[in-house]
Amino acid sequence: GAGVSQSPSNKVTEKGKDVELRCDPISGHTALYWYRQSLGQGLEFLIYFQGNSAPDKSGLPSDRFSAERTGGSVSTLTIQRTQQEDSAVYLCASSPGTFGYTFGSGTRLTVV
Amino acid sequence: KQEVTQIPAALSVPEGENLVLNCSFTDSAIYNLQWFRQDPGKGLTSLLLIQSSQREQTSGRLNASLDKSSGRSTLYIAASQPGDSATYLCAPEGDRELSFGAGTTVTVRA
Repeated sequence: GAGVSQSPSNKVTEKGKDVELRCDPISGHTALYWYRQSLGQGLEFLIYFQGNSAPDKSGLPSDRFSAERTGGSVSTLTIQRTQQEDSAVYLCASSPGTFGYTFGSGTRLTVV
Repeated sequence: KQEVTQIPAALSVPEGENLVLNCSFTDSAIYNLQWFRQDPGKGLTSLLLIQSSQREQTSGRLNASLDKSSGRSTLYIAASQPGDSATYLCAPEGDRELSFGAGTTVTVRA
């Protein structure tokens, strides 16, 4: 597609449930990033995929968070046993590697 | 760890005024610096990308400068319009990822 696509755009889940967030990057972009933006806060880096290399997971806040990228394209961010502090907007971005990032519209996650 | 500071945190101006948004960062070893705009409840829209070898970049009413050695970038918006109301984010790119400031929230009054 022309841009970075994220789904769902909104997700409300009960505390303790697992959620999956999807990101479809721009075709041909080798790098893919996940960020989190909590209410009134700046963007927090979560994880980075570059080509077929092992992902950089150093930004993941706990072992309840995991992400994968299949075939160097679509990525899924999974949050297990969700907690209320996980409520945030989760943003995905892709990059061709040299000239800037393009962000998706984000998934707004609300844990009740 | 890259620390990014944006001043002012908020700005309210009448339509037609020029805007000056400041960004400073602690680690000058960056590849690029991007300025983004974020509307309430929306994702990020890229405005300008300045490569580390460049001093400035222009697009329409927007101009961004970069002084990598001193860790500063400034975004200028000429002849502001109500449609420019948004949060503006500065993001230097390091080895791994973009680092973000908290942003400057701009309100342009008609």
